[in-house]
Amino acid sequence: RKEVEQDPGPFNVPEGATVAFNCTYSNSASQSFFWYRQDCRKEPKLLMSVYSSGNEDGRFTAQLNRASQYISLLIRDSKLSDSATYLCVVKSGGSNYKLTFGKGTLLTVNP
Amino acid sequence: GAGVSQSPSNKVTEKGKDVELRCDPISGHTALYWYRQSLGQGLEFLIYFQGNSAPDKSGLPSDRFSAERTGGSVSTLTIQRTQQEDSAVYLCASSFLRDYEQYFGPGTRLTVT
Repeated sequence: RKEVEQDPGPFNVPEGATVAFNCTYSNSASQSFFWYRQDCRKEPKLLMSVYSSGNEDGRFTAQLNRASQYISLLIRDSKLSDSATYLCVVKSGGSNYKLTFGKGTLLTVNP
Repeated sequence: GAGVSQSPSNKVTEKGKDVELRCDPISGHTALYWYRQSLGQGLEFLIYFQGNSAPDKSGLPSDRFSAERTGGSVSTLTIQRTQQEDSAVYLCASSFLRDYEQYFGPGTRLTVT
């Protein structure tokens, strides 16, 4: 089982749609969780950290379920500028620096 | 302020040649990381430097790969006797301290022909 698995996608949605990304991780000792965004041929950039209590940043909501080892990202009222690849990222439990990335899910928001 | 910079941005090399990839971290960042992103694969960790501590080389795929960090700042990733499977984007990241957010550079796209 891969350490971090994501929906393979791609997702194509119209502007204004709500879209959800799901991710599971295999290492129960993992301590930190993130969503990164990567635009085409660009470097990944941190979108938001994910906390057990859930957290929201504008149109973006992230959730963590430690019991199920499941992470989600919800984007409401999607914009054309949200088109990118979304990467689920976990920091390994044994070393609080090594980022383990999912393969990413490509989102295209259409006009 | 200036972000992480990497050079070259693109490198095409013949199979069997050696290549050097350079990373300039954000000034003041003590931690530096190298990752690789291959077509169809997620980013994979290669190596981690923290101050003067021994680096974590656990992600290097073979002994053809090596990296050093001089003076706690600039880092060089060297691939000897390149193979076609080494073709990938090599990304460098730095963070203020080990547990802090990692900022990525634009990467070096390596193509081995």
